[in-house]
Amino acid sequence: AQSVTQPDIHITVSEGASLELRCNYSYGATPYLFWYVQSPGQGLQLLLKYFSGDTLVQGIKGFEAEFKRSQSSFNLRKPSVHWSDAAEYFCAVALYSGAGSYQLTFGKGTKLSVIP
Amino acid sequence: EPEVTQTPSHQVTQMGQEVILRCVPISNHLYFYWYRQILGQKVEFLVSFYNNEISEKSEIFDDQFSVERPDGSNFTLKIRSTKLEDSAMYFCASSTTGVNQPQHFGDGTRLSIL
Repeated sequence: AQSVTQPDIHITVSEGASLELRCNYSYGATPYLFWYVQSPGQGLQLLLKYFSGDTLVQGIKGFEAEFKRSQSSFNLRKPSVHWSDAAEYFCAVALYSGAGSYQLTFGKGTKLSVIP
Repeated sequence: EPEVTQTPSHQVTQMGQEVILRCVPISNHLYFYWYRQILGQKVEFLVSFYNNEISEKSEIFDDQFSVERPDGSNFTLKIRSTKLEDSAMYFCASSTTGVNQPQHFGDGTRLSIL
């Protein structure tokens, strides 16, 4: 069965510092991978997705992620963190079923705190 | 930008009562989903729905759960006889086609069972 591991439960960074959030997946075929962000009291907002092609994908809010098949990883990065980036970040892998729909399997999330 | 809308934002219900959670997916989307997140745990898939029928459901989605698209805009999740362990945040999501299109999530309904 597919699974997603986010090894860091909570990360604290200073505003302006760089950020890397780790994600490892287990999936038998070529994975379709996503990063979502959840601010308090809000839903899940899509940051970026990887389906195929270039392994470095750009997303919204200055985030990027790199797919590394050899390491089964899809780490999220941002060169300079802003206080508004404080939120919980979820990595997810898609499992396709028939009729074109798919279900997302999520990691447990990484809570990001930003200090001034 | 179009959004997935969920109502109510918070629902408090007595154990054993029926509850209906409502969602309005993005208008041109064809695939609809429900997920739940128990406090402190992962977001978990419940069910996917396409062409007026369930495409896939998880083991969580037992006979107490049902989904319906009663008209052209709403997508509902019904829990027939709620249990304490049904307390969670429930998220609705939708996507255009299934393959290669991301799911867009609503802000969720927090369900509290007393």
